[in-house]
Amino acid sequence: SQKIEQNSEALNIQEGKTATLTCNYTNYSPAYLQWYRQDPGRGPVFLLLIRENEKEKRKERLKVTFDTTLKQSLFHITASQPADSATYLCALDRDDYKLSFGAGTTVTVRA
Amino acid sequence: DAGITQSPRHKVTETGTPVTLRCHQTENHRYMYWYRQDPGHGLRLIHYSYGVKDTDKGEVSDGYSVSRSKTEDFLLTLESATSSQTSVYFCAISEPGRGDTQYFGPGTRLTVL
Repeated sequence: SQKIEQNSEALNIQEGKTATLTCNYTNYSPAYLQWYRQDPGRGPVFLLLIRENEKEKRKERLKVTFDTTLKQSLFHITASQPADSATYLCALDRDDYKLSFGAGTTVTVRA
Repeated sequence: DAGITQSPRHKVTETGTPVTLRCHQTENHRYMYWYRQDPGHGLRLIHYSYGVKDTDKGEVSDGYSVSRSKTEDFLLTLESATSSQTSVYFCAISEPGRGDTQYFGPGTRLTVL
């Protein structure tokens, strides 16, 4: 069956360091992968989309890589700030404009 | 929240009662989705709609029904609520060809006693 795993439930890092989150999947062949941010009590907010033919995508301090051979995406937050504290979800496309989501990784950035 | 509202935002109900959650959008997006979010499970798709009166089941559709009579409104109904349906429910919208991303509403916290 199809499965999406995000590396850990929680990640605690020091301000200024790089946070690296992992999204692994099995039994999928997604055309693209997305990352969302979710703050407590709110709905997820789209951050980045990377397509299967793209190796890397950047947006400000965020970087996403996509390795279809390893079936893995890495999500990096560089020069992290306390405001980056949130839960980050990866999502893979399914047929007919549907997404499958991972359970998320909660990042806490300490000042 | 990208022109998406959900109502009610919070609801407490009793087992066996019917419950309807409403999602309203002002973006004129064709696709609308209902998810539930539970600890350890992430977001799971309940039902989705790809146009007025066009709906289909997601991965956890048992016990839920939906209706979409207008582009802007997507209703989720729990015919007879059970405690296992206690969850946070999110509505989302998307428009194919505009980036393949989904935009989420603020969520409804439903507690079934």
